[in-house]
Amino acid sequence: NFMLTQPHSVSESPGKTVTISCTRSSGSIASDYVHWYQQRPGSAPTTVIYENNQRHSGVPDRFSGSIDSSSNSASLTISGLRTEDEADYYCQSYDSGNKVFGGGTKLTVL
Amino acid sequence: EVQLVESGGGLVKPGGSLRLSCAASGFSVSDYIMNWVRQAPGKGLEWVSSIIITNSYTYYADSVKGRFTISRDTAKNSLNLQMDSLRAEDTAVYYCARVSSGWFGNFDVWGQGTLVTVSS
Repeated sequence: NFMLTQPHSVSESPGKTVTISCTRSSGSIASDYVHWYQQRPGSAPTTVIYENNQRHSGVPDRFSGSIDSSSNSASLTISGLRTEDEADYYCQSYDSGNKVFGGGTKLTVL
Repeated sequence: EVQLVESGGGLVKPGGSLRLSCAASGFSVSDYIMNWVRQAPGKGLEWVSSIIITNSYTYYADSVKGRFTISRDTAKNSLNLQMDSLRAEDTAVYYCARVSSGWFGNFDVWGQGTLVTVSS
């Protein structure tokens, strides 16, 4: 079994760029797809990035995803930050028959 | 419109049982891997269970194995979660979610969630 570790919180100013990491504790980050979800308060999650780097339908190109085998981590990068990007973000991957979520990162845009 | 609507949540005592349902519209649950994901108050997302409708293979998180049972009702185009021997730590919003394609796809459709509270 492995864990996906995310920073608890990040903050950045409007117009800037922020990157949220998701580090896999064991096994290769490249061996299974990583997906990213956005969750605003009181709402269900929605997909922003799927299959490591594919933007979900309707997601602006300010959102991008990548994986880095050297750090065994996936990253979600949001450029040109807007106040509406303020939300919780979760990475998700697979472990045999299980689906694994990261602990989530609270993004504050201030 | 593709939609999932959960029902059945509520307040239950420790050791009790509850059955959640998830009604699907705009697609057939038989064509997708269907799942339950939960979120405890103020906490992150936790995958609970999956079912591959075509062969009825089921998968469970260790935290619920032996206590929860996932099933589908293809006639009603719905998904169920039977929860037995409930514990305080099962208190959460339970979401029904569809996997986009195959086992490794993302959760592309989510319901609005139903709250389960386990308390005496």
